[in-house]
Amino acid sequence: DTAVSQTPKYLVTQMGNDKSIKCEQNLGHDTMYWYKQDSKKFLKIMFSYNNKELIINETVPNRFSPKSPDKAHLNLHINSLELGDSAVYFCASSKRLANEQFFGPGTRLTVL
Amino acid sequence: QKEVEQNSGPLSVPEGAIASLNCTYSDRGSQSFFWYRQYSGKSPELIMFIYSNGDKEDGRFTAQLNKASQYVSLLIRDSQPSDSATYLCAVLGSNDYKLSFGAGTTVTVRA
Repeated sequence: DTAVSQTPKYLVTQMGNDKSIKCEQNLGHDTMYWYKQDSKKFLKIMFSYNNKELIINETVPNRFSPKSPDKAHLNLHINSLELGDSAVYFCASSKRLANEQFFGPGTRLTVL
Repeated sequence: QKEVEQNSGPLSVPEGAIASLNCTYSDRGSQSFFWYRQYSGKSPELIMFIYSNGDKEDGRFTAQLNKASQYVSLLIRDSQPSDSATYLCAVLGSNDYKLSFGAGTTVTVRA
């Protein structure tokens, strides 16, 4: 299946831990994104990579660090997790920067 | 002022009726507009995009864009219970290529 996939689907962890979320797309797209959807369902951009280059870096704590090893993968590492980090994190991709974006299934992160 | 505003829901319509969703945006230079549907517990799914003023139809969905009024809308004709979801309006920034989302309008179609 051609799609955007994320792992894990659910992540439950303690405050202070470090965790990673992985994203892969097999659509041949050049651009990938991380979004956060909070408890009020508001969806907000965090980062975007275009051809492995960071092009959007919103005002997020520097505990969040994206990494793109190649065009098909974009990972998100979070250090020192806090209660407020609990949310659903969506990866997305688009053919190019200004094109329509396609979302992965999401990772529900719960910090206890 | 929020960048993208949607009409507050929830919106309840009877089966077979037209559901009308509205969205206004603040970036006058924006050229690309998208509607996503999100079922509860699922990811946003692209259902329409529109770049030019006027109407764009795809099946039971019609997107309408008026750049002068900074207004984009989505009509769902012959609404079905399966259309019950939250609909997100998204606008691509003119300078930064960031996709800004509205808070969403939840639609319930009554059988």
